[in-house]
Amino acid sequence: AIQMTQSPSSLSASVGDRVTITCRASQGIRNDLGWYQQKPGKAPKLLIYAASSLQSGVPSRFSGSGSGTDFTLTISSLQPEDFATYYCLQDYNYPRLTFGGGTKVEIK
Amino acid sequence: QVQLQESGPGLVKPSETLSLTCAVSGYSISSGYYWGWIRQPPGKGLEWIGSIYHSGSTYYNPSLKSRVTISVDTSKNQFSLKLSSVTAADTAVYYCARLGGRYYDSSGFVRYYFDYWGQGTLVTVSS
Repeated sequence: AIQMTQSPSSLSASVGDRVTITCRASQGIRNDLGWYQQKPGKAPKLLIYAASSLQSGVPSRFSGSGSGTDFTLTISSLQPEDFATYYCLQDYNYPRLTFGGGTKVEIK
Repeated sequence: QVQLQESGPGLVKPSETLSLTCAVSGYSISSGYYWGWIRQPPGKGLEWIGSIYHSGSTYYNPSLKSRVTISVDTSKNQFSLKLSSVTAADTAVYYCARLGGRYYDSSGFVRYYFDYWGQGTLVTVSS
């Protein structure tokens, strides 16, 4: 099974900061990766699919990059509503899926 | 608008079987797509449990495969999860979701992402 290693597990940042979260796959997964945002008590929400494609309605401050084994989610200028937990999800083996461990973005 | 709603007991005794149902509205399961179950223990990350197609074809997380059964009832437009021999480690919020967001990857293969989710239901395993 494909393992997804996400880092860091948590980070503290201020409004306006640039934030980068990484996800590493245990094997090459082309660009078959999505990024989800989850707020407390809510279901996850898709931000990015195909590693770099922005989901409709998602602010352009979110961007994704990478292919193969290494992927990055970047928030260019952190906003108050962005404090949440972020997960990567590989769908290379669709419909067998694997989530990363998550990154909690907290207020500094 | 597609909507998913999980239902089932909120409390299950250790060693018993957890049973949940996901009712789908706004879309016919028979029309296609895979449908999935995902769980999240309190304060922890998301874990994919398994996926099912309207034909009944299933795929399970290897770590849960021996205890999981996912089934579909197209006549009721719902799919279900059964997890046997539960322990406290199975306490979690359980989500159902549709793998309905289609895209083509860098090699031209069709892939899907979760586009609709249920609100989640907390299941506690305790005597």
